Amino acid sequence: NAGVTQTPKFRILKIGQSMTLQCAQDMNHNYMYWYRQDPGMGLKLIYYSVGAGITDKGEVPNGYNVSRSTTEDFPLRLELAAPSQTSVYFCAGAGGPSETQYFGPGTRLLVL
Amino acid sequence: QQQVKQSPQSLIVQKGGISIINCAYENTAFDYFPWYQQFPGKGPALLIAIRPDVSEKKEGRFTISFNKSAKQFSLHIMDSQPGDSATYFCAASLGQTGANNLFFGTGTRLTVIP
Repeated sequence: NAGVTQTPKFRILKIGQSMTLQCAQDMNHNYMYWYRQDPGMGLKLIYYSVGAGITDKGEVPNGYNVSRSTTEDFPLRLELAAPSQTSVYFCAGAGGPSETQYFGPGTRLLVL
Repeated sequence: QQQVKQSPQSLIVQKGGISIINCAYENTAFDYFPWYQQFPGKGPALLIAIRPDVSEKKEGRFTISFNKSAKQFSLHIMDSQPGDSATYFCAASLGQTGANNLFFGTGTRLTVIP
């Protein structure tokens, strides 16, 4: 099993551009999460999903969108990129509400 | 507003020493308290976790101490090794009653000197 995979590993965007961060898992996890990690700030939840077709906002959802058309994939969409979205983004999956979250390797995004 | 407060921000320990990282929370509804370990360039990985019905959990050299009345919990790393050098995050969630959304502390960068 590959676990949780994320692409790309690194990306530079210009202000106003858009992009999709990909996340896939092969662990049959119903629960999936997107976090951003800023230096000295820990990880903040952006969006989460408890199953295909079901998504909800986390702590810091502004400027992002998600979709969950399949159990395996949970892409994160950035529209009109801003410098404040410069961060490292982590996707995670879990089998259920009380189960361990497994994190992907992250995507480093730089918005200039 | 930081739901989980973590200290210290950084910690330097000699090999063989004890590393102690502390966390505090306000929401008494939290019912799951994991610790994550993160190496540079990698995603966080679960190290050890505890639920509020026990006061201590030990796994090898790693121990969580939990004080429900004080709303505090801590990670103790015994016989610290250079390979333990990493950033450690405490977290809390509503695992049983919510979607297990994790609220993370701000992290502690641990350096173990040989």
